Amino acid sequence: NAGVTQTPKFRILKIGQSMTLQCTQDMNHNYMYWYRQDPGMGLKLIYYSVGAGITDKGEVPNGYNVSRSTTEDFPLRLELAAPSQTSVYFCASSRRLAGVPYEQYFGPGTRLTVT
Amino acid sequence: AQTVTQSQPEMSVQEAETVTLSCTYDTSESDYYLFWYKQPPSRQMILVIRQEAYKQQNATENRFSVNFQKAAKSFSLKISDSQLGDAAMYFCAYSLNNAGNMLTFGGGTRLMVKP
Repeated sequence: NAGVTQTPKFRILKIGQSMTLQCTQDMNHNYMYWYRQDPGMGLKLIYYSVGAGITDKGEVPNGYNVSRSTTEDFPLRLELAAPSQTSVYFCASSRRLAGVPYEQYFGPGTRLTVT
Repeated sequence: AQTVTQSQPEMSVQEAETVTLSCTYDTSESDYYLFWYKQPPSRQMILVIRQEAYKQQNATENRFSVNFQKAAKSFSLKISDSQLGDAAMYFCAYSLNNAGNMLTFGGGTRLMVKP
C-alpha cells in the first residue's frame, strides 16, 4: 500500500493564480481531511469529507474548495492565491468502524509558496 | 470550540534520560480521543500514542507513555530512555468522537536530544 500520496511536493504560485493539490489514498478509508501548517504552528483543518459526495468546512476554509467524487481522491482547489496561503498542506485519511474512530494517516505534505 | 495548548515551545533532554511534554485541552464533551503525533524534519506526521477518554488506564507504547488526567484536562507524554531519533516536533491533538473525527492540534513542542 502506498498509503496517502500528495502531489506536487513543492509549488510556487504567483498572487492570483489558481491550482489544485492532489490527494489519493489506497486504504479504502471513508474519511479524508485537508490541513494546513503555517511555520512554527500546529495543523489547522481546512475541509474534510466523511464519504464520496460529502464535504464540510473546517476551521480555515476561506479561499479553498474541495470535491470528493471517489473514495480514493480528495483534491483541494486554491482560487486566486494570496500570500496568506503560503503554508505546508497535509492530506490525511482515516476510517470509522462500529462507531470507533481510527487514527489518521497523513501524506508527506505539499509546500506551497505564494509570491 | 475545543482548544489544545502546549506550553513548552522547546524542550531538551540528554540521550538515555526521560523527558515529559505537557498538553492541556479545553472541552465540555465527555467522549473524545487524545493523540500525540511526532513530526521529524522530513515533515511526515507519525502517530506516537492514542488515549480514549473513557479509559482510566494510561496508554503505553514501548518507551512512550501518557499521564491522562481527565478532570484536570491534562495529557502529558513521557519519553523514557530518549534516543537521538526522538528529536522532532511533537503535537498533542484532540478529536471529539463524532461523525467527522476531526483533529484539533496544539502548537507543538520541539524536542532536542543531546548526545
